Amino acid sequence: KNEVEQSPQNLTAQEGEFITINCSYSVGISALHWLQQHPGGGIVSLFMLSSGKKKHGRLIATINIQEKHSSLHITASHPRDSAVYICAVYNNAGNMLTFGGGTRLMVKP
Amino acid sequence: SAVISQKPSRDICQRGTSLTIQCQVDSQVTMMFWYRQQPGQSLTLIATANQGSEATYESGFVIDKFPISRPNLTFSTLTVSNMSPEDSSIYLCSGAGGRRTEAFFGQGTRLTVV
Repeated sequence: KNEVEQSPQNLTAQEGEFITINCSYSVGISALHWLQQHPGGGIVSLFMLSSGKKKHGRLIATINIQEKHSSLHITASHPRDSAVYICAVYNNAGNMLTFGGGTRLMVKP
Repeated sequence: SAVISQKPSRDICQRGTSLTIQCQVDSQVTMMFWYRQQPGQSLTLIATANQGSEATYESGFVIDKFPISRPNLTFSTLTVSNMSPEDSSIYLCSGAGGRRTEAFFGQGTRLTVV
């Protein structure tokens, strides 16, 4: 069993839909990243959080430390949101990231 | 956050040759890492690049195959040596200002070995 599990692996949505991507982890962590990877391969950090909730534009990330679970929500989805979304957790020492398998999102116009 | 310039962005190489990938950060960073992402897979840590000393390699990766340099706090290189088609992957460098700080990534190098 992987230490960081994401669901779903693939997601297709219509433009405007509300999207949720989930991440569960089985190890102790000090923080969690949500990352976005576009087809060219480059990765952008969307959020880093260790508790509660963060919001940036149409993106919202939440984390529940007790349940070892985080969600990434996209409101009013748009085709430009199409990308792979990756959850990554920092170990307790805060010096190593472990990555989930990614969620491939396609938003159709 | 800091910006990493990674190059080349892609290359097609002959088996048996070597390719060196460079990452330049626009500010000093404490931690730098090199990852491999095989087709359809997530990122796997190759090594932690240590400034002024030998890199720390993860299980399954060795210095002879993936020599890494980090001469200062803003620059690192990864060489993929004696390449075979199995080395075809995306290679990414990453940095962070310190422990538990937001990580940032280079644009990735898409390597194809023929």
